[in-house]
Amino acid sequence: QSALTQPASVSGSPGQSITISCTGTSSDVGGYNYVSWYQQHPGKAPKLIIYEVNNRPSGVSNRFSGSKSGNTASLTISGLQAEDEADYYCSSYTSSSLYVFGTGTKVTVL
Amino acid sequence: QVQLVESGGGVVQPGRSLRLSCAASGFTFNSYGMHWVRQAPGKGLEWVAVISYDTTNKYYADSVKGRFTISRDNSKNTLYLQMNSLRPEDTAVYYCAKDRAGIDFDPWGQGTLVTVSS
Repeated sequence: QSALTQPASVSGSPGQSITISCTGTSSDVGGYNYVSWYQQHPGKAPKLIIYEVNNRPSGVSNRFSGSKSGNTASLTISGLQAEDEADYYCSSYTSSSLYVFGTGTKVTVL
Repeated sequence: QVQLVESGGGVVQPGRSLRLSCAASGFTFNSYGMHWVRQAPGKGLEWVAVISYDTTNKYYADSVKGRFTISRDNSKNTLYLQMNSLRPEDTAVYYCAKDRAGIDFDPWGQGTLVTVSS
């Protein structure tokens, strides 16, 4: 199972919106609405911020939103803040009853 | 609140074995599947294995199949990962995570570092 493809880095100024893409195949991202996104600050464990493509767990800011089109899912962070600087990973359930993560994206707030 | 605490990491020589533990609290452990996910130093996340709430189903990543075994003791609220025939490329922080609806991982423990080196 190959990792899902994400851009290595994305940057934006405070207050701006940025979007991170996550590209897979019809056997994972395109085949299920089971894409989730995780935020990981340096030295910390990942935290779930989006599940089932576009749902936010309780307590997660509504500045985070998700979407999907075909084999590509996207995470948008609006009103970018300094605290959003972190690594972001997508993941998907797969047709093999397994799980695959994205390659990860480093978000920098300029 | 849900708490997951991993232990058992350390430095081990190639070819040797190690067992990781994940102590769970704050939820009904025997009602949820559990995962292991690892992260090599400076690298991305890699899903390792999952076990169903009743141990009926276990699945593994191809990279560890045949070498790693996931298990659980519901009487002790503890998840395990038995790692045999360890390789340098198994060096990583190993996280346990509670399964959410069979789809994703929430929350995660703080991780335990495994270093495979001679």
